[in-house]
Amino acid sequence: NAGVTQTPKFRVLKTGQSMTLLCAQDMNHEYMYWYRQDPGMGLRLIHYSVGEGTTAKGEVPDGYNVSRLKKQNFLLGLESAAPSQTSVYFCASTSVPNYGYTFGSGTRLTVV
Amino acid sequence: SQQGEEDPQALSIQEGENATMNCSYKTSINNLQWYRQNSGRGLVHLILIRSNEREKHSGRLRVTLDTSKKSSSLLITASRAADTASYFCATVGTTDSWGKLQFGAGTQVVVTP
Repeated sequence: NAGVTQTPKFRVLKTGQSMTLLCAQDMNHEYMYWYRQDPGMGLRLIHYSVGEGTTAKGEVPDGYNVSRLKKQNFLLGLESAAPSQTSVYFCASTSVPNYGYTFGSGTRLTVV
Repeated sequence: SQQGEEDPQALSIQEGENATMNCSYKTSINNLQWYRQNSGRGLVHLILIRSNEREKHSGRLRVTLDTSKKSSSLLITASRAADTASYFCATVGTTDSWGKLQFGAGTQVVVTP
């Protein structure tokens, strides 16, 4: 199925552990974004990429790193997880800015 | 900081009724978008309205935009139980070249049969 695929769907981490969330899209989209969703706060932008090999910081980048080595993949890394990073993470992509995004189904991350 | 603020935070209606929710934003925009999120799922794009447009329709959805008041409304007509979801408005600022969306906190809509 065409769209945005996120892996894993669920994960529990211990404080201090590291992990990588993978976002893959098969629509040849240039623009990809990572958001986190917390209760009552809507979605906040973590990092984004406007093309292969490029990344930039969003609104809440601290504690996260990203890479876009291939156009179809956008990776979000947590080097040393903290309980404040407990959240649902969404990846999104679009072919052109100012058009609607396609979202993945999310990764629910709990840091204990 | 959030750009958009939705009102009301929650809405409960009967099937067949209309549902109206509002969104206010703070800075000048290029466009405003509405998304739906079913429980435990990703967001689905519903409709986009550009800053030079005042009203758009898509099926049972009607969106208005008033840039002078920095506000938008989403109307769902003849609601169905399947419309139960959270609805988010999101904006792209005029100075933004990369399409970064800024979301509000959402309106939770429950449609009872």
